[in-house]
Amino acid sequence: GENVEQHPSTLSVQEGDSAVIKCTYSDSASNYFPWYKQELGKGPQLIIDIRSNVGEKKDQRIAVTLNKTAKHFSLHITETQPEDSAVYFCATPPPGNTGKLIFGQGTTLQVKP
Amino acid sequence: DAGVTQSPTHLIKTRGQQVTLRCSPISGHKSVSWYQQVLGQGPQFIFQYYEKEERGRGNFPDRFSARQFPNYSSELNVNALLLGDSALYLCASTALITPEQYFGPGTRLTVT
Repeated sequence: GENVEQHPSTLSVQEGDSAVIKCTYSDSASNYFPWYKQELGKGPQLIIDIRSNVGEKKDQRIAVTLNKTAKHFSLHITETQPEDSAVYFCATPPPGNTGKLIFGQGTTLQVKP
Repeated sequence: DAGVTQSPTHLIKTRGQQVTLRCSPISGHKSVSWYQQVLGQGPQFIFQYYEKEERGRGNFPDRFSARQFPNYSSELNVNALLLGDSALYLCASTALITPEQYFGPGTRLTVT
């Protein structure tokens, strides 16, 4: 079945620096790749996503890139701020099943002021 | 617009008891998926319901069941609770015509 590996598990950066989180998936037919931000005591919040027909997508300080050949996708956060501190999850649905998401293990991002 | 709502927020139960968790999807969304999130891990898929029918099931025992109502709200039931069932239970809704899933705040279940 589909498997998603996420790295690193923890990431600490200084405010203003960039942060990059990478995920690798196993099924080459996967075609949708969302990223979620989860703050303490809250549910995951969809922050950006990308479909397989696009290589990169940006939304202000965040961007997602997709490399279908290598089967990996990455979250890029620029000009990090303390409020970016949270746990970030990548995910992908098994091909043909949009009701189920397979999540990575999560990355705890700490942005130091 | 209201997002996905879940109730209750927190719940404490004893081993062997039964629990019912509730979820209301975003208005217009007809599909609801349930996930279990153990501390320090990513959410694990339990069920998907669409048009009141189970459309998918994860690797969870039969003690877990769910249903969806005509208004697309959903309930998750867990029988014979075990200590290992302690987790954050998340509900997500999707319109299905697009793949985005939106999560509720979750119900924190503690089994003692």
